[in-house]
Amino acid sequence: AQKITQTQPGMFVQEKEAVTLDCTYDTSDQSYGLFWYKQPSSGEMIFLIYQGSYDEQNATEGRYSLNFQKARKSANLVISASQLGDSAMYFCAMRVNYGQNFVFGPGTRLSVLP
Amino acid sequence: GAGVSQSPRYKVAKRGQDVALRCDPISGHVSLFWYQQALGQGPEFLTYFQNEAQLDKSGLPSDRFFAERPEGSVSTLKIQRTQQEDSAVYLCASSSSLGLAGVGHTDTQYFGPGTRLTVL
Repeated sequence: AQKITQTQPGMFVQEKEAVTLDCTYDTSDQSYGLFWYKQPSSGEMIFLIYQGSYDEQNATEGRYSLNFQKARKSANLVISASQLGDSAMYFCAMRVNYGQNFVFGPGTRLSVLP
Repeated sequence: GAGVSQSPRYKVAKRGQDVALRCDPISGHVSLFWYQQALGQGPEFLTYFQNEAQLDKSGLPSDRFFAERPEGSVSTLKIQRTQQEDSAVYLCASSSSLGLAGVGHTDTQYFGPGTRLTVL
């Protein structure tokens, strides 16, 4: 079975600093995709970044980058130059080959301090 | 185009009542998913449609839960005889993925704002 672990229930970061949110995953499939979502207090899940298991380079999207370490089965999200609007829940999710649904981790609540 | 929309945004039901939750996916997205999110937790998969076909309903917690997508666009999640443990946010997501072998960027799921169901 597939599983996502996010070991940081809550994180604090100073505005304009960088922060890393941890995500480890467990799967026996060779083909899989890893996704990060942001969920502000309004409740909507906002897609941030995607990393494929066969991608040789770490994914980047603006201020978001993914530190993908396949051997360690980790896919940590790095947010550079944090902004107050980054305060939210962040979820790591995985989809494996031949399985359509996502498996989500428990999430990390990020609070950006002014 | 417009994103995924869900209605109602909030629903309060008395225990034992039936409820129906609606999802309008992104136009042209063939894949549609329903998830249940309990307070303080990550979303959990309920069911998956490809066009009008319900290909996976393994996550539905009981036979009181029923979902349909008769014309391959709008979907409805129905909960019969609601119980207090059904209280949660119900999220709908859609993607352009055709569910072919391999995983790619097209498998990205785009979520609606959710329906918060409270059962008294």
